[in-house]
Amino acid sequence: GDSVTQMEGPVTLSEEAFLTINCTYTATGYPSLFWYVQYPGEGLQLLLKATKADDKGSNKGFEATYRKETTSFHLEKGSVQVSDSAVYFCALRPSGYSTLTFGKGTMLLVSP
Amino acid sequence: DAGITQSPRHKVTETGTPVTLRCHQTENHRYMYWYRQDPGHGLRLIHYSYGVKDTDKGEVSDGYSVSRSKTEDFLLTLESATSSQTSVYFCAISEIGASSGPSTDTQYFGPGTRLTVL
Repeated sequence: GDSVTQMEGPVTLSEEAFLTINCTYTATGYPSLFWYVQYPGEGLQLLLKATKADDKGSNKGFEATYRKETTSFHLEKGSVQVSDSAVYFCALRPSGYSTLTFGKGTMLLVSP
Repeated sequence: DAGITQSPRHKVTETGTPVTLRCHQTENHRYMYWYRQDPGHGLRLIHYSYGVKDTDKGEVSDGYSVSRSKTEDFLLTLESATSSQTSVYFCAISEIGASSGPSTDTQYFGPGTRLTVL
């Protein structure tokens, strides 16, 4: 079945450091790919998405590129802030379906 | 922010009691979902609905039932709660499911309900 694998956390960084959170997936066809963010005590918010190969999603300085050849959708940000501390979830929606499959989440902790 | 509310936000109950969680939306979206979030598991789909009275099972549906009698409300029922159902439950909505295009391919989440079964 479909699955999403994320790097385990927590990822601990200093402010202004470069961030990469790895995400790889297993799915048939051409799924849509998502990154969601969850701040403490809140629900999930869509951060960015990509719906076809080579698409780049971007939002709030975060970017991720849909790589079909490596089945990856790694999240990157050039300079993290303390306010970026949260849990990040990678997810896929299989082509032709409405449901999402999530990774287990990666906690990011950014210190001043 | 999408208009999604969940009630109650927190609940403590005892093993064997029935529990119903409510998700209410003001967006008139067709699809609604219930997930549970547990440490080390991420989010797992319990049930979802693709219209009034139309529902289907997700990955972890055992011990749960759902009902959708109106577009705006999606109820999740634990008929006889167990300690393994202690979790944070999230509702989500989306406009279009299987036939979605790039601009509508998003699920929006509610604030969650923290359920503790003693």
